[in-house]
Amino acid sequence: EAGVAQSPRYKIIEKRQSVAFWCNPISGHATLYWYQQILGQGPKLLIQFQNNGVVDDSQLPKDRFSAERLKGVDSTLKIQPAKLEDSAVYLCASSLDGARPETQYFGPGTRLLVL
Amino acid sequence: GEDVEQSLFLSVREGDSSVINCTYTDSSSTYLYWYKQEPGAGLQLLTYIFSNMDMKQDQRLTVLLNKKDKHLSLRIADTQTGDSAIYFCAEIPFSGAGSYQLTFGKGTKLSVIP
Repeated sequence: EAGVAQSPRYKIIEKRQSVAFWCNPISGHATLYWYQQILGQGPKLLIQFQNNGVVDDSQLPKDRFSAERLKGVDSTLKIQPAKLEDSAVYLCASSLDGARPETQYFGPGTRLLVL
Repeated sequence: GEDVEQSLFLSVREGDSSVINCTYTDSSSTYLYWYKQEPGAGLQLLTYIFSNMDMKQDQRLTVLLNKKDKHLSLRIADTQTGDSAIYFCAEIPFSGAGSYQLTFGKGTKLSVIP
């Protein structure tokens, strides 16, 4: 079974530029999560999708971050404009159902450096 | 303060046992997880325990849960150099809103000395 796929693996941009990350969850998983992991910290949830609907985006900085999962499968996370403090690893995870506590499986992450 | 707390570093000799500790604050936590993160990699699920269990063993891994003290530990028997990584403790607290987000600690960096 293929795992969670993410691209790109690395991205370097200058502040005020825009960037987009892509995630393809495990086949059949209805729930998709985006986490931000700042160096030296544990991951923190940015947004959770159930199929193509948003379940929780309370920690997403909506003035600059946006995310979508239009067809309920792949998802993109965008930052516009980027700030220095956005430098982090962006992890995508998926789980089967999401309607109850269950195991989340993580992708390799996208490492973003904002200069 | 942090909802999930872990010590930041642990150093052990190859062949010894490693014990990584974690405390959490949410008594409604349903599942508790241990994830492993190697340099430059994503998070790999190691094991998990449901909140109505006290212990779970999986090959070299033993998870102990003390619900009274809200303390979780991960014991790695016969620690190998390949076990060197950052280990994250995470909980899923009960939420009536339908959002079961993982809350992570800051991670414990395990260094295995050959």
